[in-house]
Amino acid sequence: GQQLNQSPQSMFIQEGEDVSMNCTSSSIFNTWLWYKQDPGEGPVLLIALYKAGELTSNGRLTAQFGITRKDSFLNISASIPSDVGIYFCAGPGQGGSEKLVFGKGTKLTVNP
Amino acid sequence: EAQVTQNPRYLITVTGKKLTVTCSQNMNHEYMSWYRQDPGLGLRQIYYSMNVEVTDKGDVPEGYKVSRKEKRNFPLILESPSPNQTSLYFCASSPGQGLMPLHFGNGTRLTVT
Repeated sequence: GQQLNQSPQSMFIQEGEDVSMNCTSSSIFNTWLWYKQDPGEGPVLLIALYKAGELTSNGRLTAQFGITRKDSFLNISASIPSDVGIYFCAGPGQGGSEKLVFGKGTKLTVNP
Repeated sequence: EAQVTQNPRYLITVTGKKLTVTCSQNMNHEYMSWYRQDPGLGLRQIYYSMNVEVTDKGDVPEGYKVSRKEKRNFPLILESPSPNQTSLYFCASSPGQGLMPLHFGNGTRLTVT
C-alpha cells in the first residue's frame, strides 16, 4: 500500500531551538496534512496543503508542499515546552481521497 | 462543543470475549473512520464510512467489524478479540468528500489478555 516515510523518528531539543521534519511518499500526492498529537489525546490538524509549492504558516509552524509533490516539510520556530508531542504527516491512501494514510510520526521532546 | 466521543477510554478484556467500542460525533459529518495506533507503526486505518450504510475496509480490517446505521454513530466491534489487537484506537470524522481534515476522538486504550 501507500507508504509515507517520516523523519526523524524522534528529536530532543532545547527550548528556543528551531525544528525541521519531513515526509516523503512513494507516489505523487495532491494533498498533505500535518497533525500533532499531545500526550493522551487524539491528533489535531495543524496545517493542510493542497498545491505543489504551497507554503503555509500557522503561528510558529510553517509547512511546505514539495515541488515534486512527493514530499512535505514542517518547521517549528523558537520551540517551547508545549510543542512536545508526536507530529504526523498524512496524505491520500491508495484508492482515492477517502483513505488517509499517516506517517509513523516524529516524537518531539523540548527541554526547558 | 463540536466533538468526537469514544467510549470507553480504557478497556481490559480477555481473548475471545466480544466487545464494542462506541464512537459518536455531533458535527453532522458524513465521513467516519477508525484507526489503531501502535508504537513504531503510526496510525493505521481499520475501516471507514463515507455515509450511512456505506462502510469499507481500510488497511488493517482483519478481526474487526463496523456498522453505520446512523450518521452520528460508528461503533467498532471485535467479535473475538486477540492479544494482537491490544492497541490504542481512535475514531475520527470529517465533513465529507475528499481529504477534509479529520476530527479525532481522545482514544480508547484496549488491552486483550
